[in-house]
Amino acid sequence: SAVISQKPSRDICQRGTSLTIQCQVDSQVTMMFWYRQQPGQSLTLIATANQGSEATYESGFVIDKFPISRPNLTFSTLTVSNMSPEDSSIYLCSVAGAGGPYEQYFGPGTRLTVT
Amino acid sequence: AQKVTQAQTEISVVEKEDVTLDCVYETRDTTYYLFWYKQPPSGELVFLIRRNSFDEQNEISGRYSWNFQKSTSSFNFTITASQVVDSAVYFCALKSGGGNKLTFGTGTQLKVEL
Repeated sequence: SAVISQKPSRDICQRGTSLTIQCQVDSQVTMMFWYRQQPGQSLTLIATANQGSEATYESGFVIDKFPISRPNLTFSTLTVSNMSPEDSSIYLCSVAGAGGPYEQYFGPGTRLTVT
Repeated sequence: AQKVTQAQTEISVVEKEDVTLDCVYETRDTTYYLFWYKQPPSGELVFLIRRNSFDEQNEISGRYSWNFQKSTSSFNFTITASQVVDSAVYFCALKSGGGNKLTFGTGTQLKVEL
């Protein structure tokens, strides 16, 4: 499976600011995804990061709040904009394995706390 | 609608005990995929297994085994002779229909004590 890294691993931010999270993969992958895991909760898909086109957002998530870039097949960023304490979560990127989107491997996550 | 239920919020066992984590899913699709992931305290999600709806064979991998039963819409996970390193949150997930979304259960926190 691909090796996935995320930066930063954790951060504490003030409300009203924005944070950009980076996801780097050691090999080219077709599909990349961003998930959110709120404290003590399960994972929720935010969006699919599409290379060369706009991300595909799930219901309840919008581009203005979570802009995503995917400039190439090994890298993506997720920005959490105008943060509030409710945005405190772990943000994880994942990539599809050789089996397609049915086999997703996850990065180590970014633990975000908004004060 | 897709749904995954992990009714066990937390399980505590003593090392070397066997433990089964339950997963019940709901989907109207005939083609779907089921997954188990492990999330140790470090936070990283580790892929354990994928099963498609047409393959009901149970699988064993070392101390891990999975029991897939379509009749009861269950995909249970058993750890034999548990070890302290098995302590983690375990998530069951479902992929069905179009799109890329994995629907996750709420997770089961497994604590294995000496």
